[in-house]
This record gives sequence, C-alpha cells and structure tokens, in this order.
Amino acid sequence: EPEVTQTPSHQVTQMGQEVILRCVPISNHLYFYWYRQILGQKVEFLVSFYNNEISEKSEIFDDQFSVERPDGSNFTLKIRSTKLEDSAMYFCASSDISSTDTQYFGPGTRLTVL
Amino acid sequence: AQRVTQPEKLLSVFKGAPVELKCNYSYSGSPELFWYVQYSRQRLQLLLRHISRESIKGFTADLNKGETSFHLKKPFAQEEDSAMYYCALSGNTGFQKLVFGTGTRLLVSP
Repeated sequence: EPEVTQTPSHQVTQMGQEVILRCVPISNHLYFYWYRQILGQKVEFLVSFYNNEISEKSEIFDDQFSVERPDGSNFTLKIRSTKLEDSAMYFCASSDISSTDTQYFGPGTRLTVL
Repeated sequence: AQRVTQPEKLLSVFKGAPVELKCNYSYSGSPELFWYVQYSRQRLQLLLRHISRESIKGFTADLNKGETSFHLKKPFAQEEDSAMYYCALSGNTGFQKLVFGTGTRLLVSP
C-alpha cells in the first residue's frame, strides 16, 4: 500500500539555521499539507498546497516558512531561520482528488532546535 | 471558532470492558468529523469518518449535532486498541485543513 514518506526522521539544528523538511506524498495525490505537533500539544495545521500554490495557511506559517514542490514527487517545508519554539514533530499529509477529505499522514520529522 | 475538545488525556480500561472516548466540537456550519489513531511508533491513520457511518475494528462513532459531540465507542476493548486517539474536524467541501483535539491515550490492560 502506498504511503507518505518523510525525511529525515530526526533533524537537529542550531537556532538561526535554515532547515528543509522533505516529504514524498502518495504518487497520485494532488493535495498536500504540513502540520506540526509541539511536544505535549495538539497537532496544528500549518499550510495546504494545491496546483503549485498555497491554498491556506495558518497564523503559525509566517514569513520564516515556505513550501515548495520542486519536482513531481517531493514536497518540502523550509524554515528560514529556526527558533527554539520551532522544535516539534512535523507531519506531511496528502489527499487525492476522489477523496479529498481523507488525508494520509507521513511518519513525521522530529525537529530539535538547540 | 473551530475547536475540538477531548476532555480525557488518558483512559485506562481492562480488556473486554466498554470504551467511550469523548469528543466535542465547535464549528459554525456543518463540519466533517474524524477519528485518527496513532499506535506506538506508527503514523497517524484514519480510523473513522462520520459520513461513512462504518465500524472499523469494532469502533463506532455517531455525530450528535445537538450536543456537538462525536464520541468514539467500542463495546469490548482489546489490548491492541491501546493507542493515542485524536478527534478532528474539517469543513465539508473537501480539501480542508484538519483541526485536531489534544488526543486521548487509551490503555487497555489484560
């Protein structure tokens, strides 16, 4: 069964550094999402993406964040200058056109900002 | 405001006991409601959607619009049901963000 994959599984970085989190959505899916979960808190929506454009973004998704689909398979989340409070689990999800309400999640990338 | 409330952080039951994980929501309109489950060291996966009205792994959930609730129930819990359960909602027009509750950890003891 096809799955969403994410790399790396764990990323450690210094405050102020740029990080890129990578996701490979399920191959025929057209809708993509990023969520994050700070330890002990709820899963929060960051951004949704369709047709090479951001469809919706949350208040968390400020100018330090960007998303890109650089090729036909990858979907990336970039944090330009990481802050301590960016430490969280980041989940990528995708859904297809026939069942847009069902989102399939990746295993997550744990980002630790020191 | 869109909000999902799961009042219990932890629910501990014995095998064979009934289980009810509570979920209440706030949404202006007609949301879609979901239950996601995360087993140990695994990814979030969809368990139930209210629109499909199905039973998965013995779990059911009924949307009560009057009480704005979507509680998850199972008559006889199994040890393999131990996991983190998240209630979530989205708008009903497709391709909508999910709003999650804080989750309830279900622990089923032998």
